[in-house]
Amino acid sequence: EAGVAQSPRYKIIEKRQSVAFWCNPISGHATLYWYQQILGQGPKLLIQFQNNGVVDDSQLPKDRFSAERLKGVDSTLKIQPAKLEDSAVYLCASSWAGGGTGYEQYFGPGTRLTVT
Amino acid sequence: GESVGLHLPTLSVQEGDNSIINCAYSNSASDYFIWYKQESGKGPQFIIDIRSNMDKRQGQRVTVLLNKTVKHLSLQIAATQPGDSAVYFCAENTSGGTSYGKLTFGQGTILTVHP
Repeated sequence: EAGVAQSPRYKIIEKRQSVAFWCNPISGHATLYWYQQILGQGPKLLIQFQNNGVVDDSQLPKDRFSAERLKGVDSTLKIQPAKLEDSAVYLCASSWAGGGTGYEQYFGPGTRLTVT
Repeated sequence: GESVGLHLPTLSVQEGDNSIINCAYSNSASDYFIWYKQESGKGPQFIIDIRSNMDKRQGQRVTVLLNKTVKHLSLQIAATQPGDSAVYFCAENTSGGTSYGKLTFGQGTILTVHP
């Protein structure tokens, strides 16, 4: 089966600019996650969707980050305005159901963002 | 041991040796644990998982051990191969009484396998 697709793979922007990332999960997966992975660290959950509803966005910096999952399939993550500390890999993952039920999360290749 | 920032713990082994990667988790309420492998330029890939009501689980060439008393998790890789070289993360899931668990990842260990 096709995996989780993300685009773009790389993005370089200047601070204070805006950027958007796109994710297409595995077909049929109800749950979609966005993670931020700073160099040398493990991924940190930013937001979790169940279908098109948000179930956890406690670690999303809402003053500059936003995400949506219209129609419960594809999702976009936006940063506006970007800061230097936003430089990281942004990973999208999907699973059949909520993570707490033990369903495996499948990760996309990520988008590497560099803010200069 | 614990490391901060870019100083990830590292483990170097010879091809064919057994590898043991350790992880200390933080939340005693965590009910599910997963090991992920991440190769350069790729997203994390599931290796093996274990629920908190178990203390050992075996897969193909991999074994996960869970010690809830000291909140310690380990991944054992038998007959390590060069293709096993990657960063390995443990992750703990906390349901918090909901159906939607939250994964918290550890910092990772760099495994290098020498031919």
